Amino acid sequence: DAMVIQNPRYQVTQFGKPVTLSCSQTLNHNVMYWYQQKSSQAPKLLFHYYDKDFNNEADTPDNFQSRRPNTSFCFLDIRSPGLGDAAMYLCATSKQGGETQYFGPGTRLLVL
Amino acid sequence: GENVEQHPSTLSVQEGDSAVIKCTYSDSASNYFPWYKQELGKRPQLIIDIRSNVGEKKDQRIAVTLNKTAKHFSLHITETQPEDSAVYFCAASFSSGSARQLTFGSGTQLTVLP
Repeated sequence: DAMVIQNPRYQVTQFGKPVTLSCSQTLNHNVMYWYQQKSSQAPKLLFHYYDKDFNNEADTPDNFQSRRPNTSFCFLDIRSPGLGDAAMYLCATSKQGGETQYFGPGTRLLVL
Repeated sequence: GENVEQHPSTLSVQEGDSAVIKCTYSDSASNYFPWYKQELGKRPQLIIDIRSNVGEKKDQRIAVTLNKTAKHFSLHITETQPEDSAVYFCAASFSSGSARQLTFGSGTQLTVLP
């Protein structure tokens, strides 16, 4: 009964090589979030979608983009990954106006 | 924007003892305060939450208290067990249109010693 699924669980990329992480959900939630979590730190919100309405956090680098082709799927694109982008990327969902966010298992990104 | 401070950063307790983690927040608009438990390499999991119209909430061995005036909230775990060992994050949330902005504290590594 997986609810929020992230693929792949581990991703290795090269410095400067574009990479895409994916998230899907079976909860039919309107809102999807992407967080970046570096080692021993708290998750940090990058952006979120309310349906197709994209909301970027002010301090999210331009290097990070996102797409949401339909309710179930959301993608995180890192255009030119740097060493500092190595982190766990967490996807979360919630109902419209809902308080509880449901997290996926995360994708751990390694940049060589 | 919202700022959440969490203390302590590490906490070790003997099995059976209680553990308390404290958080403060800055934005009076925040009205929802979840606590997440994250085991190594796993997703954050919601363990308890409290809304601003409530002062205390309890779920078995876990309780959360909220002081809106002072803008602080705390997690209390009683009769700790080794499986309680994990990183605990507090968060403060306010409504932003149709979505909720969650700001996390820096986390507390709880170790329960057998």
